Amino acid sequence: GQQVMQIPQYQHVQEGEDFTTYCNSSTTLSNIQWYKQRPGGHPVFFLIQLVKSGEVKKQKRLTFQFGEAKKNSSLHITATQTTDVGTYFCAGPRSGGGADGLTFGKGTHLIIQP
Amino acid sequence: NAGVTQTPKFQVLKTGQSMTLQCAQDMNHEYMSWYRQDPGMGLRLIHYSVGAGITDQGEVPNGYNVSRSTTEDFPLRLLSAAPSQTSVYFCASSYSRGDYTFGSGTRLTVV
Repeated sequence: GQQVMQIPQYQHVQEGEDFTTYCNSSTTLSNIQWYKQRPGGHPVFFLIQLVKSGEVKKQKRLTFQFGEAKKNSSLHITATQTTDVGTYFCAGPRSGGGADGLTFGKGTHLIIQP
Repeated sequence: NAGVTQTPKFQVLKTGQSMTLQCAQDMNHEYMSWYRQDPGMGLRLIHYSVGAGITDQGEVPNGYNVSRSTTEDFPLRLLSAAPSQTSVYFCASSYSRGDYTFGSGTRLTVV
């Protein structure tokens, strides 16, 4: 079945450094979505869904990219802040538009040292 | 709008007991799904529903049942709890675009 791999599993950065997490799917995706989960919380959608091959979207300090083959994606955070602490997940629809749920990567835990 | 509401927030069960995790959404979303989250495993899909009266299995359905009698409600039933079902359970819903709103979760411990 479909698998979504995500690296790294953990990332320690100093506050102010940049952060990137990478996602790779075993199958071509119709779209890819990114979620953030704060410690003890629930996943929250970033309100950005990448649909087109090579698409890049920005949200303040965050940049989301979708690969040309629509199988990989990345999330880059510029100048991390303590509020960025959490686990970042990529997710792709199991099929079509996602009516039958999402396949999630295992997440990247971002730890920020002040 | 309350979004996606899950109850209870915490539960301790003994092995062999049954229980129902409740999930309700007030956004008129057609798609709903249940995930479990375990350390190092990410979120794994248990069951999903594409509309009232329609449910299907996800990646890890064994030991769980669901029903969808209304658009709003999507309860998850544990038939005979086992320690391997100790996890955090999330319910999520979506409209046609396919990005999901998650509930706050139920932390379940089976002893």
